Formats: sequence, C-alpha cells, structure tokens
Amino acid sequence: GEDVEQSLFLSVREGDSSVINCTYTDSSSTYLYWYKQEPGAGLQLLTYIFSNMDMKQDQRLTVLLNKKDKHLSLRIADTQTGDSAIYFCAEINDYKLSFGAGTTVTVRA
Amino acid sequence: ETGVTQSPTHLIKTRGQQVTLRCSSQSGHNTVSWYQQALGQGPQFIFQYYREEENGRGNFPPRFSGLQFPNYSSELNVNALELDDSALYLCASRSGSDTQYFGPGTRLTVL
Repeated sequence: GEDVEQSLFLSVREGDSSVINCTYTDSSSTYLYWYKQEPGAGLQLLTYIFSNMDMKQDQRLTVLLNKKDKHLSLRIADTQTGDSAIYFCAEINDYKLSFGAGTTVTVRA
Repeated sequence: ETGVTQSPTHLIKTRGQQVTLRCSSQSGHNTVSWYQQALGQGPQFIFQYYREEENGRGNFPPRFSGLQFPNYSSELNVNALELDDSALYLCASRSGSDTQYFGPGTRLTVL
C-alpha cells in the first residue's frame, strides 16, 4: 500500500477554494511536495514546503503542514478550470520520492 | 517547461521484447531518477543514477536496468517485457539536494 495517502476525488465550483489533504508516514522527510499532472502529461512541480515550516503561500497556493499529525494540505484559492488535474503529494526519503495515489480535482462551472 | 526531455513519447511492444527509454536531464543536473506510473496510481521509484553509477533502487526486478552518460543523459532498459510493465515512465533530474524536475514521460504499452 501507499505510504502517502490522499483522498481520490474532489469536485469544486469555479471561483471557490479547493483543499486537498494528504497524510504521510516518514517524519524524517526534509521536504514535502505537491505536483500537478494534467491528462497525458508528466508531473509539474507546484510547490514544496520545508519540514520546519508550518505554512507556505505562493500566489493562489497555500500549503499547510502539521508535523505532529503528519498531515499536509494544499489550498487553491479562486479555483479555475485550468486547475482541473490530478494532484500528488510526495515525501522524500534521502533521494527517493514517495507519492500518494493522487487526488483528481474537477472544476465545474 | 522543466528542461527535462524524454523519448520516445509513446511506444508499443509485445511481451518478451526489450525496450530502451531515453532521458535528457536539465542542464547542470547530475542526478537522474526513473519512476513508473501505472494507470490510476502515483509514480513508483525505480532507481537513481549519480555520476554514472546506480546509487539507489526501488522494488523492481533486475530486468529493469539503467545507464547514465557523462553528459548526464540517461537510459532505462527493460528486458523480457510483461503486460504489467505497461505504464508511463518518468525521469526526473536534480542537482545535489535540490528539487526533482520531471520530464513529460514515455507511455509504454505492452501487448
């Protein structure tokens, strides 16, 4: 099974905020990542957070990290149709990225 | 655009055949990793190369092998293809402990 867990689907109305949640297992991960994958494409790095931070904001993206609970979330403000994609969270152990199964975000008009 | 390129884009093979996938790293990146992404799943780490040597491997059998060249480009070779090898194969490059940047992937279909 996956060491990193995510909910599989999220449907959100255009203009609303999206929140994607993730739990991970490796407390020694120095960084945690969010990647975006559009249909038929590779992985696009969206943002990342250093493990000693609680929050990181990058334009419409806000990452929250709760190290005690090993919980990571990604909030997308003012969600647009171009945000429809699969979102993966990933932890890193030494050199190896471990991914969740991905959350499919569907933006409806 | 990450600067990481992969070829070919798509490939169809039959069971038992061998395949070679190629990756060109982002300029200045000396480390390359390969991942397998089956349909509906997250990517799974296959192995990593640094300075032309494999220095980390995931839970994949020896018929998955690789090479890294002095210019840091890389190959993934898979022998004796099985139906379950059908997947998107992604390479990612980085420099030192920096973030990994992924290429667009090669879609392999094994019939």
